[in-house]
Amino acid sequence: QVQLVQSGAEVKKPGSSVKVSCRASGVTFRNYVINWVRQAPGQGLEWMGGIIPIFGTANYAERFQGTVTITTDESTSTAYMELSNLKSEDTAVYYCAHYHPTYHWFDPWGQGTLVTVSS
Amino acid sequence: SYVLTQPTSVSVAPGQTARISCGGNNIGSKSVHWYQQKPGQAPVLVVYDDTDRPSGIPERFSGSNSGNTATLTISRVEVGDEADYYCQVWNSGSDHVVFGGGTKVSVL
Repeated sequence: QVQLVQSGAEVKKPGSSVKVSCRASGVTFRNYVINWVRQAPGQGLEWMGGIIPIFGTANYAERFQGTVTITTDESTSTAYMELSNLKSEDTAVYYCAHYHPTYHWFDPWGQGTLVTVSS
Repeated sequence: SYVLTQPTSVSVAPGQTARISCGGNNIGSKSVHWYQQKPGQAPVLVVYDDTDRPSGIPERFSGSNSGNTATLTISRVEVGDEADYYCQVWNSGSDHVVFGGGTKVSVL
């Protein structure tokens, strides 16, 4: 059974960075495309970007270019999303999800990680 | 950039049919996927490629897509269907993913 398990909640200061992990089990990780989606409190889903582990190159949404870095570690079947220069508006639940590279849907999703940015 | 427009909310009585629209320029030429999200939970894929259902999703959930509007239809609505629903497409021109703003379905 495929499962994505994310790291726990974080509280960060404005201007700092956060790195959220997403460990995959039950899959061949190097071919398993992982994307990240965030959801601010009471708001909708917002696509951030994704990565294909076997290629190692990431594709980012325009608004996150320069502030988000998505990486993978094949040895631990883990994907990471690092968000820098945090602002209060970055307070959100961050989800990882498997992205089907041919048909472009997301399934399954991780359980989500709450990142709170507060001084 | 490509924009998907959904109604903010839809209300429906138990046993009736809920229809959630997702508007976009020539969306009929794209594959549309739908997600259900209940409070405090991660989204779940309920319809993919316009009309297909993942295993485990009831037949009450169906989809259609033509012209400038895609639609998720929930037949014989149950109280447990109360959730937010999101449509999603892939914009091939930019190789980016787009979500609709989401629709809250309330079962009266």
